[in-house]
Amino acid sequence: GENVEQHPSTLSVQEGDSAVIKCTYSDSASNYFPWYKQELGKGPQLIIDIRSNVGEKKDQRIAVTLNKTAKHFSLHITETQPEDSAVYFCAASKGSARQLTFGSGTQLTVLP
Amino acid sequence: GAVVSQHPSWVICKSGTSVKIECRSLDFQATTMFWYRQFPKQSLMLMATSNEGSKATYEQGVEKDKFLINHASLTLSTLTVTSAHPEDSSFYICSAKALQGNQETQYFGPGTRLLVL
Repeated sequence: GENVEQHPSTLSVQEGDSAVIKCTYSDSASNYFPWYKQELGKGPQLIIDIRSNVGEKKDQRIAVTLNKTAKHFSLHITETQPEDSAVYFCAASKGSARQLTFGSGTQLTVLP
Repeated sequence: GAVVSQHPSWVICKSGTSVKIECRSLDFQATTMFWYRQFPKQSLMLMATSNEGSKATYEQGVEKDKFLINHASLTLSTLTVTSAHPEDSSFYICSAKALQGNQETQYFGPGTRLLVL
């Protein structure tokens, strides 16, 4: 089955700096890669996703890049703000409607 | 975006009792919903896939007789934890497929925290 590895497990940045979280996946058949933000005690919130027919997608301060050859994808957050502090999860699946395999999560802390 | 709700948001029960958790898609119909479990400081682990009008598909290691799933309508799936024990204490989260444009995306509910005493 699919295996998703996520790094780093914790990340602290100064407000205004950029944050990068990386994930690798094992199943070359996976073609859908969403990123979720989870605040304490809440469910995951989809923040951005990418499908395997594109290499990069951007939405304001958030961007995701995908390297299918190397089987890795990354989340980039620019101009970080304290409210960006949360746990971020990457995931992979063989289609957006299929079950997701999650990475282990990254606790992002943005220091004011 | 699509909204998924869960009820209750938290529940405390005695060991041996059963607990039912509801997952609703509020503004869309969901033929498929997923149930996940999350232990503290850990990732989400898929428990089962719930299909409207048919039996759920359980992941390896998840006891189907203990975690009963019913998906009787296009907007409601329920998870019943039968004869709950302290080790069942966890954060249970559902997700539902929603059609956005011509692509399907999963949206998650807010989760239900279960504490079994």
